[in-house]
Amino acid sequence: GAGVSQSPRYKVTKRGQDVALRCDPISGHVSLYWYRQALGQGPEFLTYFNYEAQQDKSGLPNDRFSAERPEGSISTLTIQRTEQRDSAMYRCASSSPPGTASYEQYFGPGTRLTVT
Amino acid sequence: AQRVTQPEKLLSVFKGAPVELKCNYSYSGSPELFWYVQYSRQRLQLLLRHISRESIKGFTADLNKGETSFHLKKPFAQEEDSAMYYCALSGRRGGGSEKLVFGKGTKLTVNP
Repeated sequence: GAGVSQSPRYKVTKRGQDVALRCDPISGHVSLYWYRQALGQGPEFLTYFNYEAQQDKSGLPNDRFSAERPEGSISTLTIQRTEQRDSAMYRCASSSPPGTASYEQYFGPGTRLTVT
Repeated sequence: AQRVTQPEKLLSVFKGAPVELKCNYSYSGSPELFWYVQYSRQRLQLLLRHISRESIKGFTADLNKGETSFHLKKPFAQEEDSAMYYCALSGRRGGGSEKLVFGKGTKLTVNP
């Protein structure tokens, strides 16, 4: 079956531009997570949603970062006024909520963002 | 604070040799511990989790609360085990809607 998909897979943008990264979770999965992974580091939590509600955004580094999931399915992570330090792999994952049989987080292929 | 430490950035062994990837954690409550793996050109995927006490692809990991460790072990490494391995913890027992805190990862290379 279809897994988590992310687009674009690669994004090169100039400093100061806005970017929008998309995540399409596994159909029926309630929870959706965003992580950021810098080179040589492990994934770092940014934010997550249950349905359309943003449950935790404590990992968003500053107010240039925002995320939404308006219909409880596809999510968009937006970075405004990009800076070179935003360059990283952005990973999305989805899972079913507590109380269901599976709570495993399934990851997408990631979006490699490069800010020049 | 929640923290996961993987002390080895790189680990190289020969095929058939035992392998142990170390993971230590810091968490004030009762965490869930996981091992995730990323093979070359593939996405990050769950290898195993401590509550299921299972062996996947010959790998096992035991949670040692006294030493706050969750080391990953395999008695006989295979070349196809070469990959990036991440230890991770979650704060909610059995929960899915909880963020994962990852270590920096260990790159395992199994030589022929």
